[in-house]
Amino acid sequence: AQTVTQSQPEMSVQEAETVTLSCTYDTSESDYYLFWYKQPPSRQMILVIRQEAYKQQNATENRFSVNFQKAAKSFSLKISDSQLGDAAMYFCAYRSAGTDKLIFGTGTRLQVFP
Amino acid sequence: SQTIHQWPATLVQPVGSPLSLECTVEGTSNPNLYWYRQAAGRGLQLLFYSVGIGQISSEVPQNLSASRPQDRQFILSSKKLLLSDSGFYLCAWSTPGQGYAEAFFGQGTRLTVV
Repeated sequence: AQTVTQSQPEMSVQEAETVTLSCTYDTSESDYYLFWYKQPPSRQMILVIRQEAYKQQNATENRFSVNFQKAAKSFSLKISDSQLGDAAMYFCAYRSAGTDKLIFGTGTRLQVFP
Repeated sequence: SQTIHQWPATLVQPVGSPLSLECTVEGTSNPNLYWYRQAAGRGLQLLFYSVGIGQISSEVPQNLSASRPQDRQFILSSKKLLLSDSGFYLCAWSTPGQGYAEAFFGQGTRLTVV
């Protein structure tokens, strides 16, 4: 069975600084997709960034980028130029290409200080 | 456009009472459907997912069950609630076979078992 692990329950960063959130996963599948979702206090889930496992190039979306290390099964999220609005719970997620099963990690709560 | 509806938003139920949470999706056909529970410190736990009518995968052994009576309807049920069933329940849908596609979430149900 696949698992997703986020080892940092909480992280903090100062406004305008950079922070990296860690995520590791375990799977025996070769074809899958990885995501980072953000959950603000409203509890609405918002897609931040996604990565296809067969693509070696790391995905980027404006201030958000990932470091995808397939062999190490690692998928970290880097937030540059942090803003107060980035404060939220961040979830790493894995989706199986074969079964469409979508699982999440335990989340990392990010605080942003002015 | 596609929308997802989940209700009720808040529910307080006594121990031993039945439960029925409903989720419907509009604007798409044959979606993948998911039920998650979010409890403190446990992140987003996948409970059930369905890739079609009558096809439901159970991920966590417990006293909850799920049904998909119609293509775009997903119901989470329990015959007798336990205190440990308290939590925030999220329904989600995604496009089948498109692993790169974003999953969309309902507004959630806050369930308190007393």
